[in-house]
Amino acid sequence: GQQLNQSPQSMFIQEGEDVSMNCTSSSIFNTWLWYKQDPGEGPVLLIALYKAGELTSNGRLTAQFGITRKDSFLNISASIPSDVGIYFCAGQRVLNDYKLSFGAGTTVTVRA
Amino acid sequence: NAGVTQTPKFQVLKTGQSMTLQCAQDMNHNSMYWYRQDPGMGLRLIYYSASEGTTDKGEVPNGYNVSRLNKREFSLRLESAAPSQTSVYFCASSDPTHQYFGPGTRLTVT
Repeated sequence: GQQLNQSPQSMFIQEGEDVSMNCTSSSIFNTWLWYKQDPGEGPVLLIALYKAGELTSNGRLTAQFGITRKDSFLNISASIPSDVGIYFCAGQRVLNDYKLSFGAGTTVTVRA
Repeated sequence: NAGVTQTPKFQVLKTGQSMTLQCAQDMNHNSMYWYRQDPGMGLRLIYYSASEGTTDKGEVPNGYNVSRLNKREFSLRLESAAPSQTSVYFCASSDPTHQYFGPGTRLTVT
């Protein structure tokens, strides 16, 4: 079953705000990934994290791989209307086994 | 490169009908996957293929079969569709670092 707990489930944010979402697990993961899904599309990779404690940015997005390897968070700074979508965390438990476990997603809606 | 392509984009089936969802990738990846996405549940792995000629069950394989036709193509078959299989189906392929997803097939079983 689902191994990753992602929160919040949904959020309404004001344009320009910073937002944060996180993912936790009872299991250790070797890789954490954050994907975004636009309506009617497949998920697209935003950020990949490979080492515990790693902090990585991609434009206005910043993600961190928790030091315990059981959690990760994603921050979006200065949100804009195109940030609307569903954000998924995903974890890879075993090196060289490419199967992923996904969180249930955080639905982001931006108020203009 | 087209990446990962899926056909059809939409399909409506009656209970008991069969159909095959097609997936192809042009990135020369060894590994391919089929997921289903249901509201509030994220993506759940149905079947995967680590390499050409091999397939393995994922988290929710019941009611599905797969074929890894060649390195490029990985199809998902519903032999006797049920309303519980109403979902959005995503195919993905992966390199050593991450997975790339297709645009999805929205399937409704009435």
